[in-house]
Amino acid sequence: GNSVTQMEGPVTLSEEAFLTINCTYTATGYPSLFWYVQYPGEGLQLLLKATKADDKGSNKGFEATYRKETTSFHLEKGSVQVSDSAVYFCALTSLGLVGGKLIFGQGTELSVKP
Amino acid sequence: SQTIHQWPATLVQPVGSPLSLECTVEGTSNPNLYWYRQAAGRGLQLLFYSVGIGQISSEVPQNLSASRPQDRQFILSSKKLLLSDSGFYLCAWRGALGNNSPLHFGNGTRLTVT
Repeated sequence: GNSVTQMEGPVTLSEEAFLTINCTYTATGYPSLFWYVQYPGEGLQLLLKATKADDKGSNKGFEATYRKETTSFHLEKGSVQVSDSAVYFCALTSLGLVGGKLIFGQGTELSVKP
Repeated sequence: SQTIHQWPATLVQPVGSPLSLECTVEGTSNPNLYWYRQAAGRGLQLLFYSVGIGQISSEVPQNLSASRPQDRQFILSSKKLLLSDSGFYLCAWRGALGNNSPLHFGNGTRLTVT
C-alpha cells in the first residue's frame, strides 16, 4: 500500500540552527513527493516537490531530495528563522491512487526560538 | 491564475444542527476536488473526493456527505452534527490531468460543535 511516516514532533530549535525533518514512504509505482507547511490557523501551502528519483525540490531555503534507494524525502534547512515555526507535512501521490488523492504523514511541529 | 475559496472561516454549531460548508475554485475547468479534515492531533484525513460533477467518492463512513452541483463547487454537509465532527476542514483541488501534481488547499473552516 501507500503510506508516509514522519518523525515525531515537536521539534524545538534555536534561530539559525540546522533543521532536518525525516520522512520515509512506501508506495506502489512511482510516486511524486511533496512537503507542505501549515502556519497557525491557516490551510496547507505547498513548500516543495519532487516527481522522480534523485530530484531535489527547493524553496525558501528548504530542500528535500527524492531518494528511491532509501524511500526517503527528508526536509532540510541550513538556518531556521522564528518565522519558520509551523507544522510540516510530507505527502505522496501516485498514478495508482484512485482519484489522485494525496497521502499525508502525521505532520511535524517545528518551533524556532529567538 | 487559479484560486480556491472556502467559507465560512469559522463556525460554531450546536449538536444536532445541520451543516453546509462551501468551496469554489476559479480559473480552471473540471478540477479534481477534495475535502480533508484535520482533527486536534494534526493528521489529515481524506473525507471525500470528486473527479466530476455529481461524482462523489467517500473515503470513510461518517456523519457527513458531499455534493458537487457545479464544475467548480464542492459542498460538505451534515443533517445533524455530532460533537466528533469538530475539526478543521480543508478543501483542495488539482487539475484533472495532473495526477502526479500537488493539491492546492483553501484556508480552511474551523468547525466547533458544542
